[in-house]
Amino acid sequence: SQQGEEDPQALSIQEGENATMNCSYKTSINNLQWYRQNSGRGLVHLILIRSNEREKHSGRLRVTLDTSKKSSSLLITASRAADTASYFCATDAVAGGTSYGKLTFGQGTILTVHP
Amino acid sequence: DAGVIQSPRHEVTEMGQEVTLRCKPISGHNSLFWYRQTMMRGLELLIYFNNNVPIDDSGMPEDRFSAKMPNASFSTLKIQPSEPRDSAVYFCASRPRQGTYNEQFFGPGTRLTVL
Repeated sequence: SQQGEEDPQALSIQEGENATMNCSYKTSINNLQWYRQNSGRGLVHLILIRSNEREKHSGRLRVTLDTSKKSSSLLITASRAADTASYFCATDAVAGGTSYGKLTFGQGTILTVHP
Repeated sequence: DAGVIQSPRHEVTEMGQEVTLRCKPISGHNSLFWYRQTMMRGLELLIYFNNNVPIDDSGMPEDRFSAKMPNASFSTLKIQPSEPRDSAVYFCASRPRQGTYNEQFFGPGTRLTVL
């Protein structure tokens, strides 16, 4: 399996509910990022969490990072139909303390929010 | 800023033809990335440049693929000859500066169909 795997692959919820997506990775990282992709569009950066951070908030987004378990979660609170999109985690891997300078993306979670 | 600009947005060609995809990164960004996205393989990094110099081309699938960045404001990805399995959405992304800002800004993508 590859670096940055999201779970679940697909998530379907009702408007107003919370959506939680998980990401696991394998190597040491400098930071982990979450991106969103609307159908037929490019990816848009949502939030970045550094390896020495455990939790970060941005609006309705909450990201956690557990480097001991090599996992992260993205929580979207009070979801809206407009949140319907694919969500990807991406890891900035390091070796010997130096970033490779590139991101490795997971396969993504398809989120559908029903009005 | 207009964001990352890619052209064409859609390309339909026949097997064996040469295809050239173009990208204009955000002004002031010094890293540029080419990705390919398919349902089967997800989002794959093909090559990336720092300060117009190719740093990692390990993702380029084979010699039929080549990429150039003649200056800070323009890059091309060329496929010659094209094959049906090259059909995918190709994204270009740019980044302000490695080490401090790791967020990548994606273009809208070029949807390539090789018949």
